[in-house]
Amino acid sequence: QVQLVESGGGLVKPGGSLRLSCAASGFTFSDYFMAWIRQAPGKGLEWVSYMKRSDSEYYADSLKGRFTISRDNAKNSLFLQMNGLRAEDTALYYCARVEYSASSAAFDIWGQGTMVIVSS
Amino acid sequence: SYVLTQPPSVSVAPGKTASITCGGDNIGSDSVHWYQQRPGQAPVLVIYYDIYRPSGIPERFSGSTSGNTATLTISRVEAGDEADYYCQVWDTNNDLLWVFGGGTKLTVL
Repeated sequence: QVQLVESGGGLVKPGGSLRLSCAASGFTFSDYFMAWIRQAPGKGLEWVSYMKRSDSEYYADSLKGRFTISRDNAKNSLFLQMNGLRAEDTALYYCARVEYSASSAAFDIWGQGTMVIVSS
Repeated sequence: SYVLTQPPSVSVAPGKTASITCGGDNIGSDSVHWYQQRPGQAPVLVIYYDIYRPSGIPERFSGSTSGNTATLTISRVEAGDEADYYCQVWDTNNDLLWVFGGGTKLTVL
């Protein structure tokens, strides 16, 4: 079945780095835009970044320069490199598939998330 | 940046109808998507492009938009519908391409 499985979260000190991974299965990964969304403890959803099928990266304005999204279509994988981590980056990070059209886009498949905790 | 406003909470008795609103400037001209997030679980898309239900979503879930308000309606509410619900639009006018509402906690009494 269609599935997304995130990994790579953990506890990191402020200023540190982490690389999140998302393994996709059950669909043709290279056909879809993919995204990262995060949710701080007890808070709402916040879009982080998305990437088109093989290039063109987009980021939430507040995160530009610190996070980098990438993908490996041959390995059906999405990544998020996070540098200069701050306490406010503490959140559950979800990988999601994008249902895209010319007029709009939604997240139609979500993983279970990987937790990132930034603390000294 | 574009702001979507949802009521923090809505309560409804089992078997009744729940309406969850999402306010935004001229939101009727955008496509609105809705997600359900049960406690401890990942979000699930329940309505997309205003009115369409993904496969597996019960017909009890429906969406509509008019003017500055989008509405998610859940008919014949069940205990299992208790969850947080988020509206979302795709705003290409600003850097924040995806905008989520703050979420509404639906409580089934």
